Amino acid sequence: DVKVTQSSRYLVKRTGEKVFLECVQDMDHENMFWYRQDPGLGLRLIYFSYDVKMKEKGDIPEGYSVSREKKERFSLILESASTNQTSMYLCASSFPPSGGARETQYFGPGTRLLVL
Amino acid sequence: GESVGLHLPTLSVQEGDNSIINCAYSNSASDYFIWYKQESGKGPQFIIDIRSNMDKRQGQRVTVLLNKTVKHLSLQIAATQPGDSAVYFCAENSLVRDDKIIFGKGTRLHILP
Repeated sequence: DVKVTQSSRYLVKRTGEKVFLECVQDMDHENMFWYRQDPGLGLRLIYFSYDVKMKEKGDIPEGYSVSREKKERFSLILESASTNQTSMYLCASSFPPSGGARETQYFGPGTRLLVL
Repeated sequence: GESVGLHLPTLSVQEGDNSIINCAYSNSASDYFIWYKQESGKGPQFIIDIRSNMDKRQGQRVTVLLNKTVKHLSLQIAATQPGDSAVYFCAENSLVRDDKIIFGKGTRLHILP
């Protein structure tokens, strides 16, 4: 079974704080993703990574950065948290597409972040 | 596409009945589709997938139907149980979008006792 874990289920931070969200997967997946999920907007891709040390911007990267120092770990960083970053953050991982196969993303349980 | 949260489309089904959840996709180049289930307070969970060279695929109590002509996807859940209460959303994948998955916004399934 694929296991994707996130460091916290709930976080409360103050405006201006630096926030680290950690994600770890145990299936040796190359690809890792960070999304945020908001009512009315669904899942929006923040950043993704196809390999160690590699990162690509998603649809809404502003205000975020990421780090992929090890294959199994993908960190999302809020450099200076703002109230509009209050959201549910979801990490996912997958194998890369190969031989015509498409990737299926497996999600962690989510971190609900409240920025005051 | 549908909205989520306050404006989330809701399907109410009697326990034991079959549920049919629908999804429309817009990109005719999409060739791989996935259904996810998200229970309250949890991350999305993979249910079933289907490739564009198929029009039907069955799993345990679930069936996905794909109609490429009208770009429509449906998830059928047989004998709906209380544990099926969740938000269900479809996802599509296409080489046109650099292989990134595009997620729909979801439908809430509510089980009536």
